[in-house]
Amino acid sequence: GAVVSQHPSWVICKSGTSVKIECRSLDFQATTMFWYRQFPKQSLMLMATSNEGSKATYEQGVEKDKFLINHASLTLSTLTVTSAHPEDSSFYICSARYRAREANYGYTFGSGTRLTVV
Amino acid sequence: AQKITQTQPGMFVQEKEAVTLDCTYDTSDQSYGLFWYKQPSSGEMIFLIYQGSYDEQNATEGRYSLNFQKARKSANLVISASQLGDSAMYFCAALAYSGGYQKVTFGTGTKLQVIP
Repeated sequence: GAVVSQHPSWVICKSGTSVKIECRSLDFQATTMFWYRQFPKQSLMLMATSNEGSKATYEQGVEKDKFLINHASLTLSTLTVTSAHPEDSSFYICSARYRAREANYGYTFGSGTRLTVV
Repeated sequence: AQKITQTQPGMFVQEKEAVTLDCTYDTSDQSYGLFWYKQPSSGEMIFLIYQGSYDEQNATEGRYSLNFQKARKSANLVISASQLGDSAMYFCAALAYSGGYQKVTFGTGTKLQVIP
């Protein structure tokens, strides 16, 4: 089945530094990648949607200069948290959409990245 | 390693009827949590309900209830009195702490369509 590998699983960084999170589709082409951030009560907030080769579409309230998303190929999308601050500490999850049989779409998720900014 | 299986790619339910969405899980972790999320067409993932592996009672949240059968490793979601607004994708997920870090695993989802 379609598998997305997300790395790193956890990262601790100093305030002011940048962190890059990778999501790589291992055995399929991810035409669209979604990036989520987990908030209290376990809700996952959609941060942005990216299509291969084009700029990401950010949701309202998400700073595009702070959360840089790159989807340079059909198998790799990255989220870079620039100049991270403690309030950016959270759990980030990527999800890839792929074309399943009969023109339907399937979704698969990365295992998440726990970011702690100190 | 964890694995979540949702065997129903799509389901239909009549409005006002109850529906059960299946989810089975496989994990070697002793402590874990099971979640259900609803994904409308906007893409947002809306948290519905949570069941901890040590919780003895089935979780309920309004019209949502989780039928947790630990021995069978199943965590089915029951939606009572379906509404048209319930039409969406539904994902089952497991969260565990393994090797000092948190890991989440999602199922492939079930597309629910509520018929008037």
